[in-house]
Amino acid sequence: DTGVSQNPRHKITKRGQNVTFRCDPISEHNRLYWYRQTLGQGPEFLTYFQNEAQLEKSRLLSDRFSAERPKGSFSTLEIQRTEQGDSAMYLCASTGREASYNEQFFGPGTRLTVL
Amino acid sequence: AQKVTQAQTEISVVEKEDVTLDCVYETRDTTYYLFWYKQPPSGELVFLIRRNSFDEQNEISGRYSWNFQKSTSSFNFTITASQVVDSAVYFCALSEAGGGGADGLTFGKGTHLIIQP
Repeated sequence: DTGVSQNPRHKITKRGQNVTFRCDPISEHNRLYWYRQTLGQGPEFLTYFQNEAQLEKSRLLSDRFSAERPKGSFSTLEIQRTEQGDSAMYLCASTGREASYNEQFFGPGTRLTVL
Repeated sequence: AQKVTQAQTEISVVEKEDVTLDCVYETRDTTYYLFWYKQPPSGELVFLIRRNSFDEQNEISGRYSWNFQKSTSSFNFTITASQVVDSAVYFCALSEAGGGGADGLTFGKGTHLIIQP
């Protein structure tokens, strides 16, 4: 297993466009998290799935942000009508069922630039 | 609400010096987990350690050691005999109620560690 993967690694878009990012967690990890990291800051938690159920979404930054994990495997994060303030690194993490499940493994991130 | 404070924005030391990164946390829960992650220039967060609130034993792993003090709500990280490869941003993080739960991790702002040759 090669760890958490995210695609694309970089995305440049114009203001007002929609963007979608994908995260593939470590195989058999049932929990998946999305974070946003802006320059000079620590990651900020956005949302969380256990299998296909989205258990926390109140921390999504606005109603322009949505996430899905339809089959409990990969997940997508969509930002509609992007704004320049959405420019950031979007990180995905996963963790599993074992006793040490709360160790979150992070992917390399998707860097979004909104022009 | 939970909060993690890393007061040191940037630390610069010469190689082989020892360096301590400070972390102070706030939480109302009695059960919580503390973490340290490393973010090298490549950008990918690397897990270093997890400590639960019931285990105050200090831990040593090679040149790394961690000092958990519940009385002062601190979880400090020391690198002994620092090396250039230790240069990175280091984040302290907190999780309440068992491993991320529904809240995810709360991160501090990070400490940028620069090890000069």
